[in-house]
Amino acid sequence: EAQVTQNPRYLITVTGKKLTVTCSQNMNHEYMSWYRQDPGLGLRQIYYSMNVEVTDKGDVPEGYKVSRKEKRNFPLILESPSPNQTSLYFCASSPRQNYGYTFGSGTRLTVV
Amino acid sequence: AQSVTQLDSHVSVSEGTPVLLRCNYSSSYSPSLFWYVQHPNKGLQLLLKYTSAATLVKGINGFEAEFKKSETSFHLTKPSAHMSDAAEYFCVVVLNTGGFKTIFGAGTRLFVKA
Repeated sequence: EAQVTQNPRYLITVTGKKLTVTCSQNMNHEYMSWYRQDPGLGLRQIYYSMNVEVTDKGDVPEGYKVSRKEKRNFPLILESPSPNQTSLYFCASSPRQNYGYTFGSGTRLTVV
Repeated sequence: AQSVTQLDSHVSVSEGTPVLLRCNYSSSYSPSLFWYVQHPNKGLQLLLKYTSAATLVKGINGFEAEFKKSETSFHLTKPSAHMSDAAEYFCVVVLNTGGFKTIFGAGTRLFVKA
């Protein structure tokens, strides 16, 4: 089945403890992207990648890192999480720029 | 600056009546436009997209949208609402600047009354 898989689905962590949210797609898509969803704000783009080793900032990149060493994987790294990063995170992929995304099921992160 | 405005945060309709969810965008570039739906506690699903072909776009589940460049609008419609349409809907702009910058509207929650 064609899908975007995020792990974990739920995560509670403490301030300052480094964490990684994984994202993997099995559709050979070139484009991948991370979003955070907060009430009343819709989804905001954190980082995106147009291919292996090609990444760029979205609208809210502060406090996050990404890497794209393989086409299928696009992990989101929080080096020192803070409570304002408590949110619902989505990974998405697309075969090309104007095709539309396939979204993962989301990761609900709580930083205490 | 690029932006997407969904004009209603909440819309309530009765089952069997038409649905109209409004979206206006602002972009210096020729945009691609999308509508996504998110059911409670679910991920997002693509409803339809406009990418500079026909201005009236048909999507899944009976939804359609019309791109009006003069009004910078991309409103989503459905002739007859069904209870299963109750969800949150997002209007999205992808900027054709060579990158993959994507802007989401804040969302419109659709309620469908029996």
